[in-house]
Amino acid sequence: ILNVEQSPQSLHVQEGDSTNFTCSFPSSNFYALHWYRWETAKSPEALFVMTLNGDEKKKGRISATLNTKEGYSYLYIKGSQPEDSATYLCAFLGAQKLVFGQGTRLTINP
Amino acid sequence: SQTIHQWPATLVQPVGSPLSLECTVEGTSNPNLYWYRQAAGRGLQLLFYSVGIGQISSEVPQNLSASRPQDRQFILSSKKLLLSDSGFYLCAWSWGAEYTFGSGTRLTVV
Repeated sequence: ILNVEQSPQSLHVQEGDSTNFTCSFPSSNFYALHWYRWETAKSPEALFVMTLNGDEKKKGRISATLNTKEGYSYLYIKGSQPEDSATYLCAFLGAQKLVFGQGTRLTINP
Repeated sequence: SQTIHQWPATLVQPVGSPLSLECTVEGTSNPNLYWYRQAAGRGLQLLFYSVGIGQISSEVPQNLSASRPQDRQFILSSKKLLLSDSGFYLCAWSWGAEYTFGSGTRLTVV
């Protein structure tokens, strides 16, 4: 069974603060690691697709790093805003299928 | 450009009734196709994936089945719905590391 773990499960952050959370995944048969922003009952919004060990990607105030040898990725949000409130999903791509973690539910308090 | 169509957007069905959700892809050939479900309070779980016509892999035992009668058509079915089949269903297609999701179907079994 392929295990993709995200921590923490939920997070409350004050507006303006920076935050980060973790995704751990198998270090074998790695093809790519995806990050999505997701609101329940909607289509996930793609943030990053990361394929190379040591990758760092950035999109506005959000960035992500990847370590495929030890099987983890971090997502960082700088200067959190209320519109950042959502569930952030990571997903491991290997052997033709994308397997999601349970997500980190982020709530930004004004 | 590639597009993915999923319908219906919402569905309310009585227990014991059949189900058919359809997903079609345009603008690509021989895509990998997927069905995911979000059950209440949970993340996105992979139900089925298909790498070609007539080829279906099931990820979890359940009351559902999938079929791929044409290259760009993926159908999720049930002969008799259970209450536990309620949830949000997402179709997706992939080419390489890139994934595209449909807009989802919210299914409520009553």
